[in-house]
Amino acid sequence: AQSVTQPDIHITVSEGASLELRCNYSYGATPYLFWYVQSPGQGLQLLLKYFSGDTLVQGIKGFEAEFKRSQSSFNLRKPSVHWSDAAEYFCAVGIGSNDYKLSFGAGTTVTVRA
Amino acid sequence: SQTIHQWPATLVQPVGSPLSLECTVEGTSNPNLYWYRQAAGRGLQLLFYSVGIGQISSEVPQNLSASRPQDRQFILSSKKLLLSDSGFYLCAWGRTGFNSPLHFGNGTRLTVT
Repeated sequence: AQSVTQPDIHITVSEGASLELRCNYSYGATPYLFWYVQSPGQGLQLLLKYFSGDTLVQGIKGFEAEFKRSQSSFNLRKPSVHWSDAAEYFCAVGIGSNDYKLSFGAGTTVTVRA
Repeated sequence: SQTIHQWPATLVQPVGSPLSLECTVEGTSNPNLYWYRQAAGRGLQLLFYSVGIGQISSEVPQNLSASRPQDRQFILSSKKLLLSDSGFYLCAWGRTGFNSPLHFGNGTRLTVT
Protein backbone atom coordinates (compact mmCIF):
# COMPACT_ATOMS: atom_id res chain seq x y z
CA ALA A 1 0.00 0.00 0.00
CA GLN A 2 1.10 3.52 -0.65
CA SER A 3 2.28 5.45 2.37
CA VAL A 4 4.11 8.56 3.42
CA THR A 5 6.40 8.79 6.42
CA GLN A 6 7.57 11.96 8.07
CA PRO A 7 10.10 10.79 10.67
CA ASP A 8 10.26 14.05 12.61
CA ILE A 9 7.20 14.96 14.65
CA HIS A 10 8.57 18.26 15.89
CA ILE A 11 11.55 20.40 14.88
CA THR A 12 12.77 23.56 16.56
CA VAL A 13 14.97 25.89 14.58
CA SER A 14 16.43 29.33 15.19
CA GLU A 15 15.32 32.21 13.03
CA GLY A 16 17.78 32.61 10.18
CA ALA A 17 18.96 29.02 10.36
CA SER A 18 18.36 26.45 7.67
CA LEU A 19 15.51 23.95 7.81
CA GLU A 20 15.13 20.49 6.36
CA LEU A 21 12.03 18.34 6.76
CA ARG A 22 12.21 14.70 5.82
CA CYS A 23 9.67 12.73 3.84
CA ASN A 24 9.84 9.14 2.66
CA TYR A 25 7.24 7.49 0.50
CA SER A 26 6.29 4.01 -0.45
CA TYR A 27 4.69 3.73 -3.85
CA GLY A 28 5.07 1.32 -6.70
CA ALA A 29 4.98 3.72 -9.61
CA THR A 30 6.42 7.16 -10.22
CA PRO A 31 4.80 9.22 -7.52
CA TYR A 32 3.19 12.61 -7.56
CA LEU A 33 4.63 14.34 -4.49
CA PHE A 34 3.50 17.41 -2.63
CA TRP A 35 4.35 19.54 0.37
CA TYR A 36 1.60 21.48 2.15
CA VAL A 37 1.82 23.91 5.05
CA GLN A 38 -0.85 24.49 7.68
CA SER A 39 -0.91 27.52 9.94
CA PRO A 40 -2.66 27.03 13.31
CA GLY A 41 -6.40 26.57 12.94
CA GLN A 42 -6.29 26.94 9.19
CA GLY A 43 -6.57 24.80 6.11
CA LEU A 44 -3.62 23.61 4.08
CA GLN A 45 -1.72 25.57 1.46
CA LEU A 46 0.36 23.99 -1.29
CA LEU A 47 4.07 24.83 -1.09
CA LEU A 48 5.32 22.83 -4.04
CA LYS A 49 4.83 19.67 -6.06
CA TYR A 50 6.84 17.19 -8.09
CA PHE A 51 5.55 15.21 -11.03
CA SER A 52 8.53 14.62 -13.30
CA GLY A 53 11.59 16.31 -14.75
CA ASP A 54 14.03 18.31 -12.67
CA THR A 55 14.30 16.63 -9.30
CA LEU A 56 14.84 19.92 -7.47
CA VAL A 57 11.62 21.87 -7.37
CA GLN A 58 11.06 25.39 -6.17
CA GLY A 59 7.99 26.45 -4.28
CA ILE A 60 6.47 29.44 -2.62
CA LYS A 61 7.84 31.25 0.42
CA GLY A 62 11.43 30.35 -0.45
CA PHE A 63 11.00 26.58 -0.03
CA GLU A 64 12.47 23.91 -2.25
CA ALA A 65 12.36 20.13 -2.27
CA GLU A 66 14.48 17.44 -3.85
CA PHE A 67 13.14 14.16 -5.18
CA LYS A 68 15.54 11.24 -4.76
CA ARG A 69 14.19 8.08 -6.30
CA SER A 70 17.00 5.90 -4.93
CA GLN A 71 16.11 6.93 -1.38
CA SER A 72 12.34 7.22 -1.92
CA SER A 73 12.59 10.66 -0.40
CA PHE A 74 11.21 14.13 -1.04
CA ASN A 75 12.78 16.38 1.59
CA LEU A 76 11.75 19.99 2.01
CA ARG A 77 14.35 22.69 2.63
CA LYS A 78 14.61 26.38 3.31
CA PRO A 79 17.99 28.13 3.58
CA SER A 80 16.94 30.76 6.12
CA VAL A 81 13.87 30.38 8.28
CA HIS A 82 11.62 33.28 9.24
CA TRP A 83 9.42 33.39 12.33
CA SER A 84 6.38 33.20 10.05
CA ASP A 85 7.47 29.73 8.93
CA ALA A 86 6.31 28.28 12.24
CA ALA A 87 3.56 25.89 11.17
CA GLU A 88 2.81 22.26 10.51
CA TYR A 89 4.15 20.76 7.31
CA PHE A 90 2.68 17.80 5.49
CA CYS A 91 4.17 15.65 2.79
CA ALA A 92 1.69 13.90 0.52
CA VAL A 93 1.72 11.43 -2.34
CA GLY A 94 -0.89 11.33 -5.05
CA ILE A 95 -2.46 7.93 -5.47
CA GLY A 96 -5.08 6.43 -7.70
CA SER A 97 -5.31 6.59 -11.46
CA ASN A 98 -8.92 7.77 -11.53
CA ASP A 99 -9.67 9.17 -8.14
CA TYR A 100 -6.75 11.54 -7.61
CA LYS A 101 -6.55 11.10 -3.88
CA LEU A 102 -3.75 12.39 -1.72
CA SER A 103 -2.24 10.31 1.07
CA PHE A 104 -0.69 12.51 3.73
CA GLY A 105 2.08 11.95 6.21
CA ALA A 106 1.53 12.58 9.91
CA GLY A 107 3.07 16.04 9.66
CA THR A 108 6.03 17.85 11.18
CA THR A 109 5.50 20.79 13.49
CA VAL A 110 8.11 23.51 13.11
CA THR A 111 8.81 25.91 15.95
CA VAL A 112 10.96 28.96 15.23
CA ARG A 113 12.84 30.52 18.13
CA ALA A 114 14.14 34.05 18.08
CA SER B 1 -11.52 32.94 -8.69
CA GLN B 2 -12.44 29.79 -6.87
CA THR B 3 -13.25 29.76 -3.18
CA ILE B 4 -14.19 27.08 -0.72
CA HIS B 5 -16.33 27.67 2.33
CA GLN B 6 -16.69 25.45 5.34
CA TRP B 7 -18.91 25.94 8.33
CA PRO B 8 -19.18 26.09 11.19
CA ALA B 9 -15.62 26.92 12.21
CA THR B 10 -16.04 25.34 15.63
CA LEU B 11 -18.64 23.02 17.04
CA VAL B 12 -19.19 21.41 20.44
CA GLN B 13 -21.69 18.58 20.43
CA PRO B 14 -22.73 15.99 23.05
CA VAL B 15 -22.25 12.30 22.48
CA GLY B 16 -25.20 10.81 20.64
CA SER B 17 -26.25 14.03 18.93
CA PRO B 18 -26.41 14.39 15.12
CA LEU B 19 -23.86 16.20 13.00
CA SER B 20 -23.97 18.14 9.78
CA LEU B 21 -20.93 19.94 8.38
CA GLU B 22 -21.27 21.76 5.11
CA CYS B 23 -18.77 22.65 2.44
CA THR B 24 -19.41 24.65 -0.71
CA VAL B 25 -17.19 25.60 -3.59
CA GLU B 26 -17.62 28.67 -5.75
CA GLY B 27 -16.14 29.67 -9.05
CA THR B 28 -15.73 26.24 -10.59
CA SER B 29 -17.88 23.36 -11.79
CA ASN B 30 -17.71 19.61 -11.40
CA PRO B 31 -14.91 19.61 -8.83
CA ASN B 32 -13.66 16.54 -7.05
CA LEU B 33 -14.56 16.97 -3.39
CA TYR B 34 -12.91 15.49 -0.32
CA TRP B 35 -13.45 15.27 3.44
CA TYR B 36 -10.36 14.79 5.58
CA ARG B 37 -10.10 14.44 9.34
CA GLN B 38 -7.07 15.58 11.24
CA ALA B 39 -6.43 14.11 14.67
CA ALA B 40 -3.58 15.33 16.84
CA GLY B 41 -0.30 13.74 15.80
CA ARG B 42 -1.92 11.58 13.16
CA GLY B 43 -1.88 13.71 10.08
CA LEU B 44 -4.78 13.83 7.67
CA GLN B 45 -7.01 10.88 7.09
CA LEU B 46 -9.15 10.80 3.96
CA LEU B 47 -12.73 10.05 4.93
CA PHE B 48 -14.75 10.50 1.77
CA TYR B 49 -14.32 11.74 -1.76
CA SER B 50 -16.70 12.47 -4.58
CA VAL B 51 -16.15 12.83 -8.31
CA GLY B 52 -19.73 13.90 -9.07
CA ILE B 53 -23.23 14.51 -7.75
CA GLY B 54 -24.46 11.55 -5.75
CA GLN B 55 -21.13 9.72 -6.14
CA ILE B 56 -19.53 9.11 -2.76
CA SER B 57 -16.60 6.85 -1.96
CA SER B 58 -15.76 5.99 1.62
CA GLU B 59 -12.18 5.35 2.60
CA VAL B 60 -12.62 3.99 6.10
CA PRO B 61 -15.50 2.37 7.96
CA GLN B 62 -16.82 4.79 10.52
CA ASN B 63 -19.69 6.52 12.17
CA LEU B 64 -19.88 9.21 9.52
CA SER B 65 -21.49 9.57 6.11
CA ALA B 66 -21.19 12.05 3.27
CA SER B 67 -23.53 13.35 0.61
CA ARG B 68 -23.23 15.55 -2.45
CA PRO B 69 -26.70 16.89 -3.23
CA GLN B 70 -25.41 19.54 -5.61
CA ASP B 71 -22.36 19.87 -7.81
CA ARG B 72 -20.51 22.20 -5.46
CA GLN B 73 -21.91 21.12 -2.11
CA PHE B 74 -20.46 18.40 0.09
CA ILE B 75 -21.97 17.48 3.44
CA LEU B 76 -20.51 15.39 6.24
CA SER B 77 -23.05 13.86 8.62
CA SER B 78 -23.55 11.59 11.54
CA LYS B 79 -26.74 10.32 13.17
CA LYS B 80 -25.08 9.81 16.56
CA LEU B 81 -21.71 11.27 17.43
CA LEU B 82 -19.08 9.35 19.34
CA LEU B 83 -16.29 10.78 21.46
CA SER B 84 -13.83 9.46 18.90
CA ASP B 85 -15.39 11.70 16.24
CA SER B 86 -13.68 14.71 17.78
CA GLY B 87 -11.12 16.29 15.50
CA PHE B 88 -10.44 18.87 12.87
CA TYR B 89 -12.38 18.30 9.67
CA LEU B 90 -11.16 19.68 6.41
CA CYS B 91 -12.99 19.91 3.13
CA ALA B 92 -11.04 20.20 -0.10
CA TRP B 93 -11.69 20.42 -3.80
CA GLY B 94 -9.52 19.50 -6.73
CA ARG B 95 -9.46 18.71 -10.40
CA THR B 96 -9.03 15.43 -12.15
CA GLY B 97 -5.32 14.84 -12.43
CA PHE B 98 -2.60 15.82 -10.03
CA ASN B 99 -1.46 18.82 -12.03
CA SER B 100 -3.78 20.97 -10.04
CA PRO B 101 -3.46 20.93 -6.27
CA LEU B 102 -6.09 20.34 -3.64
CA HIS B 103 -7.60 23.52 -2.26
CA PHE B 104 -8.58 23.31 1.37
CA GLY B 105 -11.19 25.08 3.43
CA ASN B 106 -10.31 26.53 6.81
CA GLY B 107 -11.66 23.52 8.65
CA THR B 108 -14.16 22.77 11.41
CA ARG B 109 -12.97 22.01 14.92
CA LEU B 110 -15.43 19.44 16.33
CA THR B 111 -15.39 18.57 20.01
CA VAL B 112 -17.68 15.79 21.17
CA THR B 113 -18.33 15.93 24.90
